[in-house]
Amino acid sequence: QVQLQESGPGLVKPWETLSLTCSVSGGPMTGYYWNWIRQPPGKGLEWIGYVYYNGKTNSAPSLKSRVTMSVDTSKNQFSLKLSSVTASDTAVYYCVRLGDGDYYFDYWGQGALVTVSS
Amino acid sequence: DIVMTQSPDSLAVSLGERATINCKSSQNLLYTSNNKDYLAWYQQKPGQPPKLLIYWASTRESGVPDRFSGSGSGTEFTLTISSLQAEDVAVYHCQQYYDTPYTFGQGTKLEIK
Repeated sequence: QVQLQESGPGLVKPWETLSLTCSVSGGPMTGYYWNWIRQPPGKGLEWIGYVYYNGKTNSAPSLKSRVTMSVDTSKNQFSLKLSSVTASDTAVYYCVRLGDGDYYFDYWGQGALVTVSS
Repeated sequence: DIVMTQSPDSLAVSLGERATINCKSSQNLLYTSNNKDYLAWYQQKPGQPPKLLIYWASTRESGVPDRFSGSGSGTEFTLTISSLQAEDVAVYHCQQYYDTPYTFGQGTKLEIK
């Protein structure tokens, strides 16, 4: 059974960089797209972007200038950096798998709440 | 961006009754080359991540009860729960994977009447 687990600071100061890592177990990273999706408290889901197992990335235009994603298949991990955060970036951040050729989100992490506050 | 609009925003249905949630996309989600609609449905219970229910608009994910069904094509889609159970109380999200940025509907909150 594939499992994903987010880790990282739960509190980030305004204008600093949010950093999260997702650890993947129970299945290969090869052949999949590894995504970040966020959900502000009480609101809907927003796709942030993905990093393919070979390092190729794609992100939402609204966030592209602030997003950096990377993958380390030797450690079964991928990561997200979101720069210059503000209170509107406060959300639960999910790491999620997407299949190559399937394109729907089949495995989700439990989510990590990141609060932006001084 | 493809805009996904769900209706209603919230819904209260009696146990054992049918629940219907609609999802409309601003662009056609049907790829003619493979005749597949790039539309998925997810169920999200409080404090939990979303769970995949339906993909390709009408294919149930393994382990999902057969009271859940998806229908529709092109720009209009429906999630139907044929006989509502107490454990179906959740927020339901539709999502298009036709093109990036992948986008979700605003969610429909389903409650027991």
